[in-house]
Parts: sequence; structure tokens; C-alpha cells
Amino acid sequence: ETVMTQSPATLSLSPGESATLSCRASQSVSTNLAWYQQKPGQAPRLLIFHASTRATGVPARFSGSGSGTDFTLTISNLQSEDFAIYFCQQYSYWPLTFGGGTKAEI
Amino acid sequence: QVQLVQSGAELKKPGASVRVACQASGYSFVTYMIHWVRQAPGQRLEWMGYINAGNGHAKYSQTFQGRVTISRDTSASTVYMELTSLTAEDTALYFCARASGREFSIQEYWGQGTLVTVSS
Repeated sequence: ETVMTQSPATLSLSPGESATLSCRASQSVSTNLAWYQQKPGQAPRLLIFHASTRATGVPARFSGSGSGTDFTLTISNLQSEDFAIYFCQQYSYWPLTFGGGTKAEI
Repeated sequence: QVQLVQSGAELKKPGASVRVACQASGYSFVTYMIHWVRQAPGQRLEWMGYINAGNGHAKYSQTFQGRVTISRDTSASTVYMELTSLTAEDTALYFCARASGREFSIQEYWGQGTLVTVSS
């Protein structure tokens, strides 16, 4: 299966700063890459799909880039509600696989 | 609005089976796939499989092949996930999620999760 590796595991930031989260696939997934946000006690929320397309209602401060094996999620001007865990997911191959997550903390 | 409401928490003994329900509302049930994803404590999200709510065709992760069955009841707009031969390693939060309208492999709307605890 396609292994997704995220880095760093934890990102310590302050409100107003920018965050750069990385995701690497063990084989090329083209742009079949999604990002999800998860807060404690909640279900994941779809943020980005096709590597760079924001889902409905997602603020413009979230942006995704990359193709092939290397992807980035950038969060500009961090808001308090953005402190959460972020997961990447490839949907190029079965089974669908997720990364281990990056926790953005204050 | 799209809503997925899952059945309540379950406590099961090793070797038992569990069935989790996911009732959908706010959209045409037969038009979209429904996925199941689980999250064990401290582990990454793990995709289990999906069902085409229209024709009932299901696809499963090899990890769970033979132990998981996903079915649907169109009259009740409900999808079911049954997992058999439970072990402690199956203790997890189980989510159903509706596929995106633009890409059926993406999970756009999620249920609230159902905690399944396997313990003797």
C-alpha cells in the first residue's frame, strides 16, 4: 500500500504566524491528495482535494500545493481555531491511506 | 444540510461482532458513496471500505477483507458496517463519511463517530 509520511509531527506556532506542513507519498499519487483537519472530539473536516482545491467553505488562508510524491499545506495568518491535527490522504490507489498527522499547537 | 448520524457506543467481548449504523439525510441517498474510516487510539486514520448506496456494490480494504461487511437499506437511508471476530486491536472510533460529489474517493461529510470498545 502507499505509505503517507507527514512532517513535522508537531508544529508550535503563535496566532498570526504561517504554518507549512509536509506530506510525502511512497509512490507518485499525481495530484490525488487531500488534506483534512481534525479537532479533539470531532470528525475530520475536508480542507483540500486534488492537492490544491479548497473544499466548500474553507477559508482562503488554507492553500495546498505539490504533485507526485511531495505535498505541502500552508496555513497563513493562523487563527486560534486552526490549532488542530492535519492529515493528508492519497486517493490514487486502493486502499486509501492517510498520513500520521501533524499537530499544530500554540 | 447533509447529515450523517451514527449509532451509539458499543462494548464487545473478543470474538464477537459489531454492527454500526449510519443514517444519512439532507441529500439523495442513492447518489453518493459512503466510506467507513476508523481511528484507533494513537493511530492514524484507517480506511476500511465503501459502498455505492445506489447499487449496493462494496469495496473493502484487504486489511479487513473477510471480516467487514458494508451494506445499505435505501428505504431507511442507512448504511451499516459489520465487523466480525473482534480483538482488542479493533477498539477504535469508527466514522462513516459521504463521498464528495466531485471525487468519490474523498470523504466530504462525516458522521460523529461511534466508539467501539473490545474488552473481556
